[in-house]
Order: sequence, then structure tokens, then C-alpha cells
Amino acid sequence: DAKTTQPPSMDCAEGRAANLPCNHSTISGNEYVYWYRQIHSQGPQYIIHGLKNNETNEMASLIITEDRKSSTLILPHATLRDTAVYYCIVSDAYNFNKFYFGSGTKLNVKP
Amino acid sequence: GAVVSQHPSWVICKSGTSVKIECRSLDFQATTMFWYRQFPKQSLMLMATSNEGSKATYEQGVEKDKFLINHASLTLSTLTVTSAHPEDSSFYICSARDARLAGGPGANVLTFGAGSRLTVL
Repeated sequence: DAKTTQPPSMDCAEGRAANLPCNHSTISGNEYVYWYRQIHSQGPQYIIHGLKNNETNEMASLIITEDRKSSTLILPHATLRDTAVYYCIVSDAYNFNKFYFGSGTKLNVKP
Repeated sequence: GAVVSQHPSWVICKSGTSVKIECRSLDFQATTMFWYRQFPKQSLMLMATSNEGSKATYEQGVEKDKFLINHASLTLSTLTVTSAHPEDSSFYICSARDARLAGGPGANVLTFGAGSRLTVL
């Protein structure tokens, strides 16, 4: 079962930063936070993952709170093509645990 | 980067027929693949975990005789929907875990196929 809580939808103006929150208050020590997104009628796309340090790649930044009970995915300059459902998932990185998707956040990027 | 090919991308069939969906990892070996289904405006629901050379593990409530999964090689898993009925109409998505990343922090990074839309008339 999904162990994360996300707002159902968010709006963001094109060119502005999109900050998507995720609550994972029951996360355990071995579990990483993963973010994926799903553009309409496509398979999900991996974005980023992290354990406790903040992470950045070419797509986004991931900020994890010190107690690891929540995180924020940041898209620094949202474009219309970033409109999608964003899923936050917690899973043990080393034990090949199953991946359960929650309900995600529908991000609407508006011109 | 890792690529997963899923085929067919869409299929329409008559009620009572069986439909096979293929999931291939194109440039990596996948010891584990997952099958999901997704209804309109809903999230992905995990159906089963497929491990190469062994029987699939099905989630509670998923009929193993209805949804046959075969993972005969490190690059191919198939899902067969047997005796399909209109209620089986859905978006089916597979994902694969890169065996090269096993044991490291990237071990749980999944690559997803584009999905297969099944419509049963």
C-alpha cells in the first residue's frame, strides 16, 4: 500500500518554479523517496530519488526534511510539457520491494 | 538510457478471447518486472511481480488464472489476459528493474513501458 500523501492537484505558471510536496511520515531508515511522473496516457517516467540529502539532476531537485517525514520536488522552471501527474513513492532501495503508487498530484502548468 | 518496449500499444478484442501483451527491456537485463493496470483518472495498481525463471507473485485480489504472466528470459515478460471481458478493459503498464543496478542505491529505479490500452467489446 502507498505510504505517501500528496495534494490532489496544483497549478503553476509557466516559467515559474513548481514545488510539489509529499508527506511520508512513516518512512523507515532504509527507504528512499522516489519521484515519477506520468504524462497523459503514457507510462510513468523516473525523475529523481534520494535518501536524506538533497538531490539535483537535470530534471528537478529533491528536498528532504531532516526528519525525513516529508519532501518537496522542485521543477525550477516549469513548462507546459511538465503538466502531468507526479507520484511520490517510498521504497527500500536494496531489497527489491514492490512499488506501490499513491494517488499523486496533478500539476497543471498554465501559460 | 534504459528503454522498455511494450507491445501492442493498443488492442481491441472480442469478449471471450485472449490477449497477450509483451514487455521487453531493450538495452538491459531485467531480473524483475512489474505489471500494473490503470483505469481512467485513477492511479496505477500493482497486479503482479514477475521474476525471471520463476512464478509470478500476484497481488491480493488479482486472479492468476485470468492474468497469466511469463518471464522466460531476462529481457522479456508477457501478460496474457485470458477470456477477456469488458471489465478487463484498461491501460496495462509494465516496468523493469535493471539488474546492473542491483545492490546499489539505484536498484529500485524502474523503467516503464509506454503502456498497452486494451478494449474488450
